[in-house]
Amino acid sequence: DTGVSQNPRHKITKRGQNVTFRCDPISEHNRLYWYRQTLGQGPEFLTYFQNEAQLEKSRLLSDRFSAERPKGSFSTLEIQRTEQGDSAMYLCASSLGGNQETQYFGPGTRLLVL
Amino acid sequence: GQQVMQIPQYQHVQEGEDFTTYCNSSTTLSNIQWYKQRPGGHPVFLIQLVKSGEVKKQKRLTFQFGEAKKNSSLHITATQTTDVGTYFCAGQILGFGNEKLTFGTGTRLTIIP
Repeated sequence: DTGVSQNPRHKITKRGQNVTFRCDPISEHNRLYWYRQTLGQGPEFLTYFQNEAQLEKSRLLSDRFSAERPKGSFSTLEIQRTEQGDSAMYLCASSLGGNQETQYFGPGTRLLVL
Repeated sequence: GQQVMQIPQYQHVQEGEDFTTYCNSSTTLSNIQWYKQRPGGHPVFLIQLVKSGEVKKQKRLTFQFGEAKKNSSLHITATQTTDVGTYFCAGQILGFGNEKLTFGTGTRLTIIP
């Protein structure tokens, strides 16, 4: 499968715990995006990488959230001290990086914070 | 900030009937993209519209981009059960170094067989 992959697909955690999600973009794609989707809503932008550089972070991304893409390939999104409001689907997307390129989404990681 | 609104939020149609969803942006867009998300799935890219007034067709699906590049529509002719899902529009504003998508709220389509 040469699409965007995400792991784990599902995560249940207790409030206060830390969680980390991984995204493997389509190879050769140098742009990688993280979005969050809650029930009944469209995906909301969280942050974006051009290769290994994190170029923008949404105001939705509190200090408890951190994302990395150390080698410009896979990316990780960590949430520290999880809260019940963090429960959502976390989606990763990648694109080649040219002008007006299509973003291809992964299957998402569904997080439930108890 | 940029907002993208979509109507209706829900649409229930009999199989064979037509379906339309409308998308409106608070700001002029560089392009608009449409995605389909099946229940329990992730957004899957359908199409991208770039030019003012552009119309594109994919079999029973017709996509339009408004002249002012602030609104768009998706029309499905003669719906089938495979069309079930939530349809999202997503706008992009280029030129600021970030090609993030701003998604609409989606229109959830259900088909009555």
